[in-house]
Amino acid sequence: DAGVTQSPTHLIKTRGQQVTLRCSPKSGHDTVSWYQQALGQGPQFIFQYYEEEERQRGNFPDRFSGHQFPNYSSELNVNALLLGDSALYLCASSLGLGATEAFFGQGTRLTVV
Amino acid sequence: KNEVEQSPQNLTAQEGEFITINCSYSVGISALHWLQQHPGGGIVSLFMLSSGKKKHGRLIATINIQEKHSSLHITASHPRDSAVYICAVPYSGGGADGLTFGKGTHLIIQP
Repeated sequence: DAGVTQSPTHLIKTRGQQVTLRCSPKSGHDTVSWYQQALGQGPQFIFQYYEEEERQRGNFPDRFSGHQFPNYSSELNVNALLLGDSALYLCASSLGLGATEAFFGQGTRLTVV
Repeated sequence: KNEVEQSPQNLTAQEGEFITINCSYSVGISALHWLQQHPGGGIVSLFMLSSGKKKHGRLIATINIQEKHSSLHITASHPRDSAVYICAVPYSGGGADGLTFGKGTHLIIQP
């Protein structure tokens, strides 16, 4: 079982550019959540996808958007990158929308210069 | 939005000591998660609990739903336990939520 996989592992982008991060959930999981973790801080909830729809969203601007595919994999898109978007982006998968255990990927380290 | 407070923020202890990390939250929840994060970012789920106590090896997690408080204990601590320990609860308290996290407790166990 491959667990949760994220790609790429590291990424450097220029301010104003757009970026797409990818997440494949653990086998059998159908719910994907995305988090942003700034250096020295705890992760912050961006949004959650289930059945290809955004089910819940944290306090992030519309520059952050996402998508879930029929195979449950997910993408996080960030437009008009700001220096402050530099962070570790974590994906977590779980089964259904109930209180179930979440499994995390290793994250994508995004640096905006 | 659920607010999560963890204490202490930093903890340095000697090998073999009993470790306690505390977590308080503001909104009633369906379950609470304890997670471990090593340098480089990978997060591992240690426990998910909704009542009482759970034990896994040298790790013990307890929760008091009425007081909105949980503790993570490590018995006979070892240098390999050095990591950031994070408490997380549902974003708005419900079962169908993403998680909101505490800032983490940076634990260092010295030989």
